[in-house]
Amino acid sequence: AQSVTQLGSHVSVSEGALVLLRCNYSSSVPPYLFWYVQYPNQGLQLLLKYTSAATLVKGINGFEAEFKKSETSFHLTKPSAHMSDAAEYFCAVTGGYFGNEKLTFGTGTRLTIIP
Amino acid sequence: ETGVTQSPTHLIKTRGQQVTLRCSSQSGHNTVSWYQQALGQGPQFIFQYYREEENGRGNFPPRFSGLQFPNYSSELNVNALELDDSALYLCASSLGGTGGTGELFFGEGSRLTVL
Repeated sequence: AQSVTQLGSHVSVSEGALVLLRCNYSSSVPPYLFWYVQYPNQGLQLLLKYTSAATLVKGINGFEAEFKKSETSFHLTKPSAHMSDAAEYFCAVTGGYFGNEKLTFGTGTRLTIIP
Repeated sequence: ETGVTQSPTHLIKTRGQQVTLRCSSQSGHNTVSWYQQALGQGPQFIFQYYREEENGRGNFPPRFSGLQFPNYSSELNVNALELDDSALYLCASSLGGTGGTGELFFGEGSRLTVL
């Protein structure tokens, strides 16, 4: 069984500041981990994914995440926040093999950017 | 543009009614997954269809049922609607099986309101 915990349901950062969204996972098998973004009244868009290759994963829009097995974490970062980053972010986990994309999502973190 | 389309985008039903939601998967994808996203929550896995067969189910009662057609489009049916069924229903397509990539492509969802 897999689960994810997102620490902080709301995060506010100033434009140009570092963005850090936290995700810890629990998995009985080696996990695949994902970050998705959801803009208002839209579906989810994949930002990046970890599938047991490089532990530092780069995604779209300048986001990246690092898989740390010892800490069971997969935190999302971006060096400099932009107003367009304001959205809901979801961390998700699945069992570690392709063809089994039954994702377990966290409860989400709403990111607000302060001008 | 992910190529996953859902219909209808919004609908209102009353308790006890039945609803059918539709999803057209992205070209080349053979797997469709359905998720329920209640307000302020992360998406919850309902079930997945792979090559017209149910391939896993989440913790949802039998009144949630589905179909996948030979062209890999899909329907989600919910009978005897309850107030708690009010949510955004997300369809996601993927390439399952040995050719899978571990990535889901989401539609924009169908927002169901039950009165």
